[in-house]
Amino acid sequence: KAGVTQTPRYLIKTRGQQVTLSCSPISGHRSVSWYQQTPGQGLQFLFEYFSETQRNKGNFPGRFSGRQFSNSRSEMNVSTLELGDSALYLCASSLESSGGTYNEQFFGPGTRLTVL
Amino acid sequence: GEDVEQSLFLSVREGDSSVINCTYTDSSSTYLYWYKQEPGAGLQLLTYIFSNMDMKQDQRLTVLLNKKDKHLSLRIADTQTGDSAIYFCAESTTSGTYKYIFGTGTRLKVLA
Repeated sequence: KAGVTQTPRYLIKTRGQQVTLSCSPISGHRSVSWYQQTPGQGLQFLFEYFSETQRNKGNFPGRFSGRQFSNSRSEMNVSTLELGDSALYLCASSLESSGGTYNEQFFGPGTRLTVL
Repeated sequence: GEDVEQSLFLSVREGDSSVINCTYTDSSSTYLYWYKQEPGAGLQLLTYIFSNMDMKQDQRLTVLLNKKDKHLSLRIADTQTGDSAIYFCAESTTSGTYKYIFGTGTRLKVLA
């Protein structure tokens, strides 16, 4: 079974530009979550999508947005990039979005975004 | 609100035991997890524990859960240089909307 894939793996942008990152979850997984990882802030939750609906959202400005397609693939978009947006963006998929069962998140390798 | 905290760094000598600690605030957590992140990679699940358990052992890994104090720990016996990584605890919770919350991560450095 193929793992979670993220494209592109590396990206360099300049301030003010926008960027779209893509995540393909494991086949059959309906939940996709996005995280931002920086050395100073650790792993911070951006948002979670389940069956094309945003279920949870972290404390990020409106410049960060996402969506999920009917095949569960997800994209996240960052508009008007700032230097502080430089980070590793991780996507994780899981079988379902439920609190009652054990639920492993499977992570992709991440997209390293550098904003100059 | 929900919060999961860990100490940032831990350094141990090869062959010693490592203990990584985590505290969480949401008492409605159902499962608690430990993930490992090696350099340049995503996170990988190491082990997990159901919230009504006190302890779980899996080869060199021992997870202890003190639900009263909302404290979770991961003990790695006979720590090896290959264990050097960042370790994240996480909880899944049903308070309100289902959420999956990660800690800040502990960077473990194993000295040869």
